[in-house]
Amino acid sequence: EAGVAQSPRYKIIEKRQSVAFWCNPISGHATLYWYQQILGQGPKLLIQFQNNGVVDDSQLPKDRFSAERLKGVDSTLKIQPAKLEDSAVYLCASSSSPGHQETQYFGPGTRLLVL
Amino acid sequence: AQSVTQPDIHITVSEGASLELRCNYSYGATPYLFWYVQSPGQGLQLLLKYFSGDTLVQGIKGFEAEFKRSQSSFNLRKPSVHWSDAAEYFCAVGPFSGNTGKLIFGQGTTLQVKP
Repeated sequence: EAGVAQSPRYKIIEKRQSVAFWCNPISGHATLYWYQQILGQGPKLLIQFQNNGVVDDSQLPKDRFSAERLKGVDSTLKIQPAKLEDSAVYLCASSSSPGHQETQYFGPGTRLLVL
Repeated sequence: AQSVTQPDIHITVSEGASLELRCNYSYGATPYLFWYVQSPGQGLQLLLKYFSGDTLVQGIKGFEAEFKRSQSSFNLRKPSVHWSDAAEYFCAVGPFSGNTGKLIFGQGTTLQVKP
């Protein structure tokens, strides 16, 4: 079974530029998560999708971050404009259904460096 | 507010020695508790989880964890560490709230294994 795919794996941009990350969850998984992991910290949830609807985006900085999952499969996370403090690893995870009973499977992440 | 504390940022053990990684949580009720492992350049992998019932939980790769309500702890243990166990370990709590699968992670413990 293929795991969660993410691209690109690495990205370097200058502050005020825009960047986008892509995630393809495990086939059939209805729930998709984006986490931000800053160096030396644990991951922090940015947004949770159930199919193509948002369940929780309370910690998403909506002035600069946006995310979509138009067809309930792939998802894109965008930052515009980027700040230095956005340097982090962005992890995508998926599960077959929402709630904590179902295991979240994580992708390898996209490492972003903002200069 | 819910939180997770991993008191040890870095631990070094000799191969074959026993291991215990500490985790304390703050939550009003009994939460869902998890341990994840992250190897360099890879996503997080679930080691084990606790929802209810037996407070000693068995996981993959020979790991186990014990939930102690009186101490608000969920420590991870392994009787004999292998060099391949070197990685970063994250404890997480999942507040029960409807469809949210939000995980709150500790800052992580980096495990180094000496030959």
